[in-house]
Parts: sequence; C-alpha cells; structure tokens
Amino acid sequence: QITLKESGPTLVKPTQTLTLTCTFSGFSLNTDTVGVGWIRQPPGKALEWLALVYWDDDKRYSPSLKSRLTITKDTSKDQVVLTMTTMDPVDTATYFCAHITSGELAFDYWGQGTLVTVSS
Amino acid sequence: SYVLTQPPSVSVAPGQTATITCGGNNIGRESVHWYQQKPGQAPVLVVYDDSARPSGIPERLSGSNSEHTATLTITRVEAGDEADYYCQVWDSISWVFGGGTKLTVL
Repeated sequence: QITLKESGPTLVKPTQTLTLTCTFSGFSLNTDTVGVGWIRQPPGKALEWLALVYWDDDKRYSPSLKSRLTITKDTSKDQVVLTMTTMDPVDTATYFCAHITSGELAFDYWGQGTLVTVSS
Repeated sequence: SYVLTQPPSVSVAPGQTATITCGGNNIGRESVHWYQQKPGQAPVLVVYDDSARPSGIPERLSGSNSEHTATLTITRVEAGDEADYYCQVWDSISWVFGGGTKLTVL
C-alpha cells in the first residue's frame, strides 16, 4: 500500500525559504522508474506542477519556478524534500507530493496535501 | 509552454452523460491523464494514457483522445461524481495541468 504525507510549516513570512518534506511508504526511490513530484494548488485555483525527482536522482523543475526550487531525496529515510526560496503571498497554496512511474507519467498516488500560507 | 484548455464548468442531471473536454495543440499525439478532486481532498487519478483506468475506477468513467481534444466521459452520472476534473500531459519538459472543470450534478 503506497502512502505519502507532506509536512512542514503552515505559515511562512514573505522572503523566507519554505522547506517541505514528503515522507512515503509502500515503495522505494531506489526502484527503477519510480519518482516523487510536488504539485501545488492555490485556494480555489488549478493544480500546478513544481518539481520531481526520479530513482536515479534525475531532477526536473517547472521552468517558471526553477530558480527558486530545489528537490532532494533521502532514500534511507524514504523522504523527498522541496525547498522554495523567496516566498511571496502568491505562493500561498496547498502543496501535494505524489508518486509517479516514468512509464505512465501520471501521478497515481497523492499525499493529503499541506496548506502553506505566506503572510507577514 | 504547452497549454491545456478545459471548460470551467459542466452541469448534468443524474443518470445522464457528462462530457469534459481538454484542448491542446495536437493533443492527440500526447498521453492524457485525468484526475478527480473533491472538495478538501487530494486529486485521484481516474484515467491514464488517454483511456486506461486504474484499479477501482468504475467503467462509467472513460477517456478518449484525438487530434486537438481529449475527452473524459462519465455515463450514468451520480451525485458522488460531483467534483473538479483536471487533465494533464507530459510535454517533454513539464507536467502540465489543465485549468480544471467543475462538474455539477443537478
């Protein structure tokens, strides 16, 4: 049974750096074709893909946010960490992590999401 | 970057068929995936690779894709189908989501 869960601060101030952790179980990031991505959703708005890391440490970033994002994996802890610098109120959103395989390129398992509010 | 266009809303009576479209340039050449998201919940993958269904997704939900439009069809619509639906593709650089369609069951 694959599960993912996001954790991190619920409130950050403008200009601060956000660090979110995705802790997963039921699969290994050492397994061929497996990846974990981050997707966000501002309140009342659409989904937006942010970043993804594959089992072989291949990392992909949204072109529009690439300069602000870093994704890393810790296979010993079954975790994936996303950092986003220079947070702004427009970054207020629910942040999801999700499992993917490079075959289908669809996110087949999602965490419950964590709401991050950017406000002074 | 690749753009996916969905109608903001679709309304249908219970028992009828709902059709949700996803437009994109030559989208027929891409593999399209569909997600269902109910209020306060995470998205759920309901169709992948244009028309395949993950385990546990009812046959009432089906997908198709040709030329410039992909379609999610829900037959015999039930109250529980009321949700936001998102299409998604991989455009060789990014995972791209459509703007979402709110399905209202009248």
